[in-house]
Amino acid sequence: TQLLEQSPQFLSIQEGENLTVYCNSSSVFSSLQWYRQEPGEGPVLLVTVVTGGEVKKLKRLTFQFGDARKDSSLHITAAQPGDTGLYLCALQEDRNTNAGKSTFGDGTTLTVKP
Amino acid sequence: GAVVSQHPSWVICKSGTSVKIECRSLDFQATTMFWYRQFPKQSLMLMATSNEGSKATYEQGVEKDKFLINHASLTLSTLTVTSAHPEDSSFYICSAGLVDTQYFGPGTRLTVL
Repeated sequence: TQLLEQSPQFLSIQEGENLTVYCNSSSVFSSLQWYRQEPGEGPVLLVTVVTGGEVKKLKRLTFQFGDARKDSSLHITAAQPGDTGLYLCALQEDRNTNAGKSTFGDGTTLTVKP
Repeated sequence: GAVVSQHPSWVICKSGTSVKIECRSLDFQATTMFWYRQFPKQSLMLMATSNEGSKATYEQGVEKDKFLINHASLTLSTLTVTSAHPEDSSFYICSAGLVDTQYFGPGTRLTVL
């Protein structure tokens, strides 16, 4: 089973600041997903990255997939209070052996203060 | 597309009673669904894999007689918490896979008094 480490675990910043969240795996993975979860709700998919070196942008969010496909980062520019939530990275295991179940990182709790 | 629903969204029950939670994939079929448990400010902990038409696969440390899973159709999986106790209070989330991505339900908050 692959392990995913996320850092930092908690992050509290002021509105307008930039931040980066990191996700590292113990081994190479084929794809990785980033989710955002608000209190009392289920995780919502933000993006899936597949290709090493890939960069995807979603408004103020920039997602990078490391060249070696063992790490990924999420960068938020000019954070807003609405960005507050739990950010989770996840990788999907081999469908042939593990029915496609996902392994999640420990999550990063982001608080953006107005 | 790819919407997953859960019912109920919250439930309060007395200790010793059983509670059933439903997970439905609304616009796609899912032969496999997953049940997670989440404690406050923590990540998701996989409890079991629900397989349509066959027995669920439970993760290590999860009591299968305590958490009964039934996946009777391609769009519905149920989790029954039997003889619930206060320590079972938690946020339960299901997901269903489509292609290479898991789509999550909105979660069910269970409080056992």
